[in-house]
Amino acid sequence: KNEVEQSPQNLTAQEGEFITINCSYSVGISALHWLQQHPGGGIVSLFMLSSGKKKHGRLIATINIQEKHSSLHITASHPRDSAVYICAALAGGYQKVTFGIGTKLQVIP
Amino acid sequence: NAGVTQTPKFQVLKTGQSMTLQCAQDMNHEYMSWYRQDPGMGLRLIHYSVGAGITDQGEVPNGYNVSRSTTEDFPLRLLSAAPSQTSVYFCASSYGTGAGELFFGEGSRLTVL
Repeated sequence: KNEVEQSPQNLTAQEGEFITINCSYSVGISALHWLQQHPGGGIVSLFMLSSGKKKHGRLIATINIQEKHSSLHITASHPRDSAVYICAALAGGYQKVTFGIGTKLQVIP
Repeated sequence: NAGVTQTPKFQVLKTGQSMTLQCAQDMNHEYMSWYRQDPGMGLRLIHYSVGAGITDQGEVPNGYNVSRSTTEDFPLRLLSAAPSQTSVYFCASSYGTGAGELFFGEGSRLTVL
């Protein structure tokens, strides 16, 4: 079974800070997914990547397949970025998906 | 498009009662799935379906039943609720069966007394 670990589990940042959330997994995967869970509970997809780097607005996701590691970066953080960020490792489709526990981010004005 | 619609949002049951969580999507997605989210744990896959008439078990299927009679709907049934099934449940769908973007419903908070 794939083990997925996220760090840190909790993160408090000042508005404007650069934020990094890490995700490590134990077995080879076909893709990695970053999700955002809002305080109200809804979950939205941020990125899906299998190699390299993707950028969307102030969010950047990277993955190193050899090191079994992915990072999610938030530049110029804002209070509206406050949420739980979850990574999910896919070992050949969603029937073989393992989710991390999540990183709870709070951005203070 | 409404996306993925889950109902109800909140439900309280007594041990032994049955209920169905409804999930519908209007994106013509082949893949649909149910997850449960518990404190201190990642989302766990309960059941999934890769198309109408096809369902399979995930990591934690015991106590749950599913069916997929149409592409749009994927209900989750609890036949005899137990306190261990107190959780937040999410339905999700995706185009194809591989690793496309996952679309989640808003979640259903279930309490079993």
